[in-house]
Amino acid sequence: AAGVIQSPRHLIKEKRETATLKCYPIPRHDTVYWYQQGPGQDPQFLISFYEKMQSDKGSIPDRFSAQQFSDYHSELNMSSLELGDSALYFCASSATRTRDATNEQFFGPGTRLTVL
Amino acid sequence: QKEVEQNSGPLSVPEGAIASLNCTYSDRGSQSFFWYRQYSGKSPELIMFIYSNGDKEDGRFTAQLNKASQYVSLLIRDSQPSDSATYLCAVGAGGFKTIFGAGTRLFVKA
Repeated sequence: AAGVIQSPRHLIKEKRETATLKCYPIPRHDTVYWYQQGPGQDPQFLISFYEKMQSDKGSIPDRFSAQQFSDYHSELNMSSLELGDSALYFCASSATRTRDATNEQFFGPGTRLTVL
Repeated sequence: QKEVEQNSGPLSVPEGAIASLNCTYSDRGSQSFFWYRQYSGKSPELIMFIYSNGDKEDGRFTAQLNKASQYVSLLIRDSQPSDSATYLCAVGAGGFKTIFGAGTRLFVKA
């Protein structure tokens, strides 16, 4: 079965540089979620998109932005990178059955971002 | 106080035993609850989800939800060494937002 695809899998950047992470959801999934997971920490919800519109926002820094495109893939843009941005970034997708309760999410393999 | 609390462990059980993982949450309005398994350096993998009070069984896994007590648990029967991982409790916080607990590390000894 098709899974969530993320690219790149690994990314090394310098401080103050920019980075773009890409996510391709499972086919026919209409909702995408972005998470940041630091070493030894739980995934922190950043932002979600439903039907190409931003649906919820979590602890996403103002330096970060994201969008979902017409083909449902999503990109997370990160600017003015800081050392503390080094983490695993996961994308997840779901097929939304109800907007009243979070639906089951399936995670991609993640992008490991290292900021030097 | 974190919105989703889990005992960080590690929880150590012998092979074949029942592992019991617990989670409490603070938002009484939460309606959806999930258990994910995460191996080190890998992505979370959905194991169980539960929306209604009571028990839900799937193979060796049983999720239990008690909304009045704001408590959700995961039982793993006949634990195997391959079950050794971090188990993350996740709670739907309204809309599409999901709050994860810090996870419980489980070790199953052969």
